[in-house]
Amino acid sequence: EIVMTQSPATLSVSPGERATLSCRASQSVSSNLAWYQQKPGQAPRLLIYGASTRATGVPARFSGSGSGTEFTLTISSLQSEDFAVYYCQQYNNWPPWTFGQGTKVDIK
Amino acid sequence: QVHLQESGPGLVKPSQTLSLTCTVSGGSISSGDYYWSWIRQPPGKGLEWIGYIYYSGSTYYNPSLKSRLTISIDTSKNEFSLKLSSVSAADTAVYYCASSPEGGAFDYWGQGTLVTVSS
Repeated sequence: EIVMTQSPATLSVSPGERATLSCRASQSVSSNLAWYQQKPGQAPRLLIYGASTRATGVPARFSGSGSGTEFTLTISSLQSEDFAVYYCQQYNNWPPWTFGQGTKVDIK
Repeated sequence: QVHLQESGPGLVKPSQTLSLTCTVSGGSISSGDYYWSWIRQPPGKGLEWIGYIYYSGSTYYNPSLKSRLTISIDTSKNEFSLKLSSVSAADTAVYYCASSPEGGAFDYWGQGTLVTVSS
């Protein structure tokens, strides 16, 4: 099973600033990596798949990069609606699909 | 646009069986393009993939739950179901159903349903 590790656990950012979230896989997952956003009381929402492709309707301020074992989600200018928990997930070696433990982005 | 909706009891007693159904609308569960999964999230914690079923009936379960888990599909009703036996408080979670096109990222999710295990 591939273990996904996210850092940091919590990221405090001011509105308008840039946020950079990291995700590391215990072995290569190629570019088969997704990012999700989850707000309180809601289901996760797919943001990025294929490590860097934005899902339908996702604003351009969200970007993903990386391949192999190291991945980054960048939010270029945080808006109030972006404060949430973000999860990475690999789908290279499945089943099982595996998720990271999440990074909470909160207001500084 | 595919829509998924979970349904089932919100409270289950310890040692009993948790049963949930996911109804799919806006697309056919038999299309063969999707793998249909259950994912859970204990309160305040992260996401755990539970298992999947394909339209053919083939399944794969998370090894940590395999001995207690059954996932089935009813193509005539466009729904799939989860049964988790011998539950304990550790199984208290929000349970989501989700779709994965060709084993890729989970693109559609149900709203989730909280199941509490308590006497």
